[in-house]
Amino acid sequence: GAGVSQSPSNKVTEKGKDVELRCDPISGHTALYWYRQSLGQGLEFLIYFQGNSAPDKSGLPSDRFSAERTGGSVSTLTIQRTQQEDSAVYLCASSFLSGGGRTDTQYFGPGTRLTVL
Amino acid sequence: QQQVKQSPQSLIVQKGGIPIINCAYENTAFDYFPWYQQFPGKGPALLIAIRPDVSEKKEGRFTISFNKSAKQFSLHIMDSQPGDSATYFCAARTASKLTFGTGTRLQVTL
Repeated sequence: GAGVSQSPSNKVTEKGKDVELRCDPISGHTALYWYRQSLGQGLEFLIYFQGNSAPDKSGLPSDRFSAERTGGSVSTLTIQRTQQEDSAVYLCASSFLSGGGRTDTQYFGPGTRLTVL
Repeated sequence: QQQVKQSPQSLIVQKGGIPIINCAYENTAFDYFPWYQQFPGKGPALLIAIRPDVSEKKEGRFTISFNKSAKQFSLHIMDSQPGDSATYFCAARTASKLTFGTGTRLQVTL
């Protein structure tokens, strides 16, 4: 594909519902990242995948948040029992990993804007 | 724990001015320092990046100055244009991860 794609672009849900956000990375990119961006705020790291495994989940804010990646490609971020404070833009990025497992340029998708009513 | 401190939070300059955005870090393990530009409704995109063995890097109207001893780096935008109005994030890399600053919202007025 031409770039990182995310779906849906917008999601409005009611408090307590579960949501799934999807990320399609650039083909061949080993690393995949999820970030959260609250209104007017910076980028909060959530989780990182290398292939299908997640060596770093340290940014997930609670056990209501989970993510998986299958086939070394598509990733899904799931938020269970959504709360109003989960409202934010969720960004996905992918990159190659260079020597020593260093992340190369991260290419971001356009994000999914989640609104929890 | 915020490992990359960015300032100012917002900045307004006139067309042709030279906005400067500053970042500071503590972790000496950081080995690569990119700047990302984000327009409303879009994801951030890499603008320019520098490694710590270089004190300055210039690409077009964008320049990064890097001071390793002070653990500081900054972005300068020469001859700024209204189209440069965006949010700018500095970042720093350790291995597989980027740590981002909190962002600077730049507005370039006519």
